[in-house]
Amino acid sequence: KAGVTQTPRYLIKTRGQQVTLSCSPISGHRSVSWYQQTPGQGLQFLFEYFSETQRNKGNFPGRFSGRQFSNSRSEMNVSTLELGDSALYLCASSLKMGRNEQFFGPGTRLTVL
Amino acid sequence: AQSVTQLDSQVPVFEEAPVELRCNYSSSVSVYLFWYVQYPNQGLQLLLKYLSGSTLVKGINGFEAEFNKSQTSFHLRKPSVHISDTAEYFCAVSDKGNAGNMLTFGGGTRLMVKP
Repeated sequence: KAGVTQTPRYLIKTRGQQVTLSCSPISGHRSVSWYQQTPGQGLQFLFEYFSETQRNKGNFPGRFSGRQFSNSRSEMNVSTLELGDSALYLCASSLKMGRNEQFFGPGTRLTVL
Repeated sequence: AQSVTQLDSQVPVFEEAPVELRCNYSSSVSVYLFWYVQYPNQGLQLLLKYLSGSTLVKGINGFEAEFNKSQTSFHLRKPSVHISDTAEYFCAVSDKGNAGNMLTFGGGTRLMVKP
């Protein structure tokens, strides 16, 4: 089975722009979560989607949004980029919600100039 | 709300020596506990998890961890490390009462195995 794939792997944007990151979960997995990883703040939960509905949300401003499609693929969007948004964005998928193992993708490294 | 503290940001150790990576958590609710490993330029891989039952949990690559409820700790151990174990290790918790998979991570411990 193919693992979690994230596209693009690397991205460079400038302040004020917006960006969309994509995540394809493992086939059959219906839950997708997003995390932001930075040297200063570490790994922080952004949001979780299951069956196209946001189920949990972390403590991030409204500039961060996401969605999930009927095939379980997910996208996250960051509008009005700030320098502090530079980070590795990780996507994780699991079969369903609850105490299931999450499988992480390799991440998208976003650099904001 | 939960918080996770990994007491050591870096742990240098010689190859074939034992290692312990320390993790303490704080939570007002019951939690599940996890250890993940991250190799350079890769995502996270689950090493082991504690959901219930025996407090000694065995994981992949020879790692094990022990859940200590009274000390709110979940330390990771390996009796003999290899060069290939060099990576960053993250302890994480999730709320048992939450239906989702949301994880709260510690700050990470960089394990550096020297020949």
